[in-house]
Amino acid sequence: DQQVKQNSPSLSVQEGRISILNCDYTNSMFDYFLWYKKYPAEGPTFLISISSIKDKNEDGRFTVFLNKSAKHLSLHIVPSQPGDSAVYFCAASRTRSNYKLTFGKGTLLTVNP
Amino acid sequence: DAGVIQSPRHEVTEMGQEVTLRCKPISGHNSLFWYRQTMMRGLELLIYFNNNVPIDDSGMPEDRFSAKMPNASFSTLKIQPSEPRDSAVYFCASSGQGRGYTFGSGTRLTVV
Repeated sequence: DQQVKQNSPSLSVQEGRISILNCDYTNSMFDYFLWYKKYPAEGPTFLISISSIKDKNEDGRFTVFLNKSAKHLSLHIVPSQPGDSAVYFCAASRTRSNYKLTFGKGTLLTVNP
Repeated sequence: DAGVIQSPRHEVTEMGQEVTLRCKPISGHNSLFWYRQTMMRGLELLIYFNNNVPIDDSGMPEDRFSAKMPNASFSTLKIQPSEPRDSAVYFCASSGQGRGYTFGSGTRLTVV
């Protein structure tokens, strides 16, 4: 039973446009959410997070939106750059200090010049 | 800070052989995690150590898998005997108080 789902295995966008990566979760106990970025032959690196007490968190070109009623979050990248091409993982935990992160399967983003 | 260091980067072994994966966490981090990444299941937590003590090993797939953390700067994940279905990328990650995970670059294991 997959508790964190990223239904789009891949996404392709043009440089300068917006990239929107989506993530759904089923466990209503999750209250802290993270996005990780992974380049080939490297480990995932932390990108941005959001607590369930917020519905938006912004960091430069990256914004994460959380819709708790829909159990849905999304990552917006504006403007997209070729260097953003990577696999993006959505992850969730029950509390910010809880050790156990549950990951989605990832979405491969390709930003075309 | 060299980050989380894993070795080897790649391992190819024959079915039935013992495989040992190694991890050096970031100095000062008190939590260590072993994850496995496969196409079918994505990133799965195998085991979690806190202050060198295994806290949760519910993700270890079966008795062929074992993990140790003899001190704060070293951990191993052992598979004995290895099987082709163990082929995956194995990641080690560490974290400190109130900080997110830092992942190593992973070990790509191929069992033939």
